Amino acid sequence: AQSVSQHNHHVILSEAASLELGCNYSYGGTVNLFWYVQYPGQHLQLLLKYFSGDPLVKGIKGFEAEFIKSKFSFNLRKPSVQWSDTAEYFCATQTSGNTPLVFGKGTRLSVIA
Amino acid sequence: GAGVSQTPSNKVTEKGKYVELRCDPISGHTALYWYRQSLGQGPEFLIYFQGTGAADDSGLPNDRFFAVRPEGSVSTLKIQRTERGDSAVYLCASSASGGAMETQYFGPGTRLLVL
Repeated sequence: AQSVSQHNHHVILSEAASLELGCNYSYGGTVNLFWYVQYPGQHLQLLLKYFSGDPLVKGIKGFEAEFIKSKFSFNLRKPSVQWSDTAEYFCATQTSGNTPLVFGKGTRLSVIA
Repeated sequence: GAGVSQTPSNKVTEKGKYVELRCDPISGHTALYWYRQSLGQGPEFLIYFQGTGAADDSGLPNDRFFAVRPEGSVSTLKIQRTERGDSAVYLCASSASGGAMETQYFGPGTRLLVL
């Protein structure tokens, strides 16, 4: 069965600091990979997704993620965070041909001035 | 051009009661998903509809949970004999046709509290 691990439960950063949130998955076959974000009081929305091709994926709001197959990882990065990036971030996987998503537990990001 | 909507936004009920949660997907989307998010956890899959039929209900925890989508649009998640452990946020998502590369668009969720 698939599972997704997000290593950091809560990350606190100052504005302009660089961000990297870890995500590892367990499935050995082909997977599709996603990062979703939930801003305070809002619903889940897609940040970026990876299916194939260039393992470095760029998403909205300056976020990017890199798929490293050998490490079963899909870490999320942003070079300089803003206060408005305060949110909960979820990594998710999807096996090819099976469309429900499997989510990690999420990482709460707090950006302070 | 509305997104996925869910009603009610909050539901408080007593243990043993029956509840219905409604999801209205994005117009034209044939795929609809229900997830459940407990405190401190990520969303967990419950059931997936393709049109009117349940294509995958492997995530339903037991037979107290049931969902329908009779006309291929609105879906209702039904929980019988609610238990305190059913307290969670119930999320609905839809995608255009259920393909593996499609984005799933989530609604705001229904927060269910069973007393």
